[in-house]
Amino acid sequence: RKEVEQDPGPFNVPEGATVAFNCTYSNSASQSFFWYRQDCRKEPKLLMSVYSSGNEDGRFTAQLNRASQYISLLIRDSKLSDSATYLCVATGGTYKYIFGTGTRLKVLA
Amino acid sequence: EAGVAQSPRYKIIEKRQSVAFWCNPISGHATLYWYQQILGQGPKLLIQFQNNGVVDDSQLPKDRFSAERLKGVDSTLKIQPAKLEDSAVYLCASSLGLAGLGSYNEQFFGPGTRLTVL
Repeated sequence: RKEVEQDPGPFNVPEGATVAFNCTYSNSASQSFFWYRQDCRKEPKLLMSVYSSGNEDGRFTAQLNRASQYISLLIRDSKLSDSATYLCVATGGTYKYIFGTGTRLKVLA
Repeated sequence: EAGVAQSPRYKIIEKRQSVAFWCNPISGHATLYWYQQILGQGPKLLIQFQNNGVVDDSQLPKDRFSAERLKGVDSTLKIQPAKLEDSAVYLCASSLGLAGLGSYNEQFFGPGTRLTVL
């Protein structure tokens, strides 16, 4: 079983739609969680950290469920510019970041 | 603020040849990471340095890959000899410190080196 698992998609959604991605992690000792965004042929960039109480940044909301060991990302009012791959990241063991395979999102006009 | 610099951006070699990649992290960042990203997959950590010491190299194929960060600043990753399955993007990242308990040290990535092994 992979340490961090994501549905690879692709998720094809119309502009203005709400879309949600889930990610599960296997290491119950993981403490820190993140969502990164990666555009085609570009490097990953931090989208947002995921806090225990959940957090929101504009149209983006991240949630953490420690009991079920998953995190989620909700995107409201999708824009064409949101089309990218979203990478889920958990800290694994000590000092190490573990990336999921990424979920591809395509927002359609 | 200057970002993470990597060179070269692209490299094409034949199998069994050697190749080296260079990374200069953001000034003041103590932690440096090398990742391998194969097409359609997420980045896989190869090696992680804290200053000039190795924190984790458990997934580095040590029979062919080596990396160093001698002065605790820039770093090189070498593959010798290369195999077809080494074709990937090699990403360097840096952060102020380690991803420890309660720490949210953001990683900043360089543009990557795209390696093709023929």
